[in-house]
Amino acid sequence: KQEVTQIPAALSVPEGENLVLNCSFTDSAIYNLQWFRQDPGKGLTSLLLIQSSQREQTSGRLNASLDKSSGRSTLYIAASQPGDSATYLCAAPSQAGTALIFGKGTTLSVSS
Amino acid sequence: ETGVTQSPTHLIKTRGQQVTLRCSSQSGHNTVSWYQQALGQGPQFIFQYYREEENGRGNFPPRFSGLQFPNYSSELNVNALELDDSALYLCASSLARTPETQYFGPGTRLLVL
Repeated sequence: KQEVTQIPAALSVPEGENLVLNCSFTDSAIYNLQWFRQDPGKGLTSLLLIQSSQREQTSGRLNASLDKSSGRSTLYIAASQPGDSATYLCAAPSQAGTALIFGKGTTLSVSS
Repeated sequence: ETGVTQSPTHLIKTRGQQVTLRCSSQSGHNTVSWYQQALGQGPQFIFQYYREEENGRGNFPPRFSGLQFPNYSSELNVNALELDDSALYLCASSLARTPETQYFGPGTRLLVL
């Protein structure tokens, strides 16, 4: 059964800092991993989808990596801005392949 | 904007009541999934419907049920509401049954008193 864990649970940084969010998963036989952003009380916005054949995926200031052998993924945010303040969730497909299994998320606060 | 809409946005019910939440998928999306997100937790998979048939179910009791209609809309029904059912309910639609292609709606916030 796939389990996804995210650390830290919360993170506060000053504007301009580079930061790394961590995600670990128990079943390394995943075929992709996805990072989402969630603003308070809102739905999920997909940020990056990394296929198992890729090691990294980039979108603007965001870079996500995937290491299946160690069961880990990281989301790197460069030059953080107050607008980056949100909860970031990682998700892996379930073993049955029909659902996403989510971590509890990392709540990021960027102060100006 | 994902093209997925949900109604209502907020809802207050009392314990023991029944509730129906609605989702309108993107046009042409034949798969819809529902997730429950309690405060401070990640979303948890409730079930998935593909072409109007249940295609997978998470660890939720039978009082959670669903329907999918030919016009790409769907419903989540919860009977005998409990306090722990208070959560954000998210629907996600996709063209295929693979979860990485899902587009999420804004959610319905349910409060059970």
